[in-house]
Parts: sequence; C-alpha cells; structure tokens
Amino acid sequence: DAGVIQSPRHEVTEMGQEVTLRCKPISGHDYLFWYRQTMMRGLELLIYFNNNVPIDDSGMPEDRFSAKMPNASFSTLKIQPSEPRDSAVYFCASRPFMNTEAFFGQGTRLTVV
Amino acid sequence: ILNVEQSPQSLHVQEGDSTNFTCSFPSSNFYALHWYRWETAKSPEALFVMTLNGDEKKKGRISATLNTKEGYSYLYIKGSQPEDSATYLCAFDNAGNMLTFGGGTRLMVKP
Repeated sequence: DAGVIQSPRHEVTEMGQEVTLRCKPISGHDYLFWYRQTMMRGLELLIYFNNNVPIDDSGMPEDRFSAKMPNASFSTLKIQPSEPRDSAVYFCASRPFMNTEAFFGQGTRLTVV
Repeated sequence: ILNVEQSPQSLHVQEGDSTNFTCSFPSSNFYALHWYRWETAKSPEALFVMTLNGDEKKKGRISATLNTKEGYSYLYIKGSQPEDSATYLCAFDNAGNMLTFGGGTRLMVKP
C-alpha cells in the first residue's frame, strides 16, 4: 500500500475562495482523522470518521469548514470561504481499528493570501 | 476539550546524553497512549502504542512507561544521537476513539 495520500501538497489561494483538500486512506482502515497543524496549537483534531461516518466534528473551527467521506477510500475537507487565518498544514491520518497506531499523509500546506 | 500536556516544550542535549520527557493526559476514559516521532518536513510516525497501566515498551535506545492511574507517560532516550533530533508527540486515545495530541517536545541533539 502506498500509505495515506493527500492532495494537493501545496495550495495557495486568495481569501474568499473555496478550497478542497483530499485524502485517500490506507485500504482497510476503519478510521480517518483530519488534523490542522499551527505554531500556536500544534496538531489540532478537526474531525474523525469511523466506517465513513463522522463521529466527532467538535474540532471544526467554524461553519466555513466541512468534511465528507463518501466512501471508504476518499475524504475531503472543504473551506468556503477561505480566510488568511486558515493558513496551516492540514494532515489526514488513518488507522485500521481502535487502539492502533495512526498513519499520516504528507500533509497539505495551505496558504490563503 | 481533552487536555494532553507535554513537557518540556523543547530540549537541547549533547550527543551521548540520556534524556526524558513527560506526557500528562486525563486519567478517565483511557484506552491507549501513543508516542510519535516527527521529523522536520516529514509526517509523524508511531513509536509506541501503550494500553496497560505499568506498561513499558522499548525500541532500540528509546523506551516509554505508562501510568494510567495518575495520567502520565515518560519517554526516555538513552545516549542521544544527532539523528534523534525531532519533535516527539504523545496522543491520548479515549473511549470515543478520538486521538488527541499534545503540543510535543522538540529535541535537538548537538554533535
């Protein structure tokens, strides 16, 4: 397996634009996590899914953020409209079942200007 | 919000020194405690997943202990090497299967 795959690796967009980040988890993994990394807050959990169902989205900062997992092999994190304070590295991670290690993607560096 | 704290935030040691850092986490709804190693420009990679109180795990020169009753874990590195320089993250795995990370300890080992 190629591991967790995120795209794009880098995204630069203008304030107010819609941004969509994509993640392909490792095949067979039941759990998928979206994290945001900032200098101030470290790795911040935004939302996680179990078997494609969102379980906890309490970390999603505001209504501008939404995440979906239409099937077991694909998830998106959308920001609409984007703001400069959304600039960060966004990581996706997956794991096979509870109490197992999480495997991280390479991250998407988002810059909103 | 689950409170997962790591200390110190950063640490500078000389090559050959042994070092340790702390992770504190809620003592309720505990399922597992994870340690990850995060090198600059890479993604976090798991070192250990610990589930039992009193558990001790070892991988080469790195080891970790776990106290679930008081809510803390220690990570030890024996004889630090420059290649050990990284950020070490702990993560609390609770009954709801959330994986909440601490702020990390950034270790720099000088040759």
